[in-house]
Amino acid sequence: ELKVEQNPLFLSMQEGKNYTIYCNYSTTSDRLYWYRQDPGKSLESLFVLLSNGAVKQEGRLMASLDTKARLSTLHITAAVHDLSATYFCAVEMYSGGGADGLTFGKGTHLIIQP
Amino acid sequence: NAGVTQTPKFRILKIGQSMTLQCTQDMNHNYMYWYRQDPGMGLKLIYYSVGAGITDKGEVPNGYNVSRSTTEDFPLRLELAAPSQTSVYFCASRATGESYEQYFGPGTRLTVT
Repeated sequence: ELKVEQNPLFLSMQEGKNYTIYCNYSTTSDRLYWYRQDPGKSLESLFVLLSNGAVKQEGRLMASLDTKARLSTLHITAAVHDLSATYFCAVEMYSGGGADGLTFGKGTHLIIQP
Repeated sequence: NAGVTQTPKFRILKIGQSMTLQCTQDMNHNYMYWYRQDPGMGLKLIYYSVGAGITDKGEVPNGYNVSRSTTEDFPLRLELAAPSQTSVYFCASRATGESYEQYFGPGTRLTVT
């Protein structure tokens, strides 16, 4: 059974600081996703990481994937209040029949204070 | 292009009632999914479909049924609603291939009392 673990689950930080969210998963997969969710809203796709060593950046967010370590990181640089949200990582299982859906971590609730 | 749409947005059911959550996508995606999200938790896969006429169980299928008669629609049926089914339900779709992301609908907030 695939397990996806995020840490920390809760993070309060100050504007301007840097921090990293970690996502570990238990079985081999080459496809890892990061999503953002604002309260009461749906999920917004941030990054799709498709291979070992993949690194993607968008604004103050950067995500990386190490498939050998089964680890992905989401790094926040010089945080601003607008980045306050819950961040989920998810791993896709892909069988011979197709894409079998995502297994999600519990999410990291991020609060950025002035 | 509306993407993934879900109806209703909110619903309150009494224990034992039944209902169907509707999901439609206009992107011609073969893959469609139903997830539920309990408070403070990540999403869990209920059912999925890789094309019209093909469905399969996810991690938490008990108490639900699905059908996929067209590419566009993937309704989720709740029979004999229970309080444990109180949750937010998200439908998602994805194009065929290994490099495509899932697009999520706005969700249906269901309360069973």
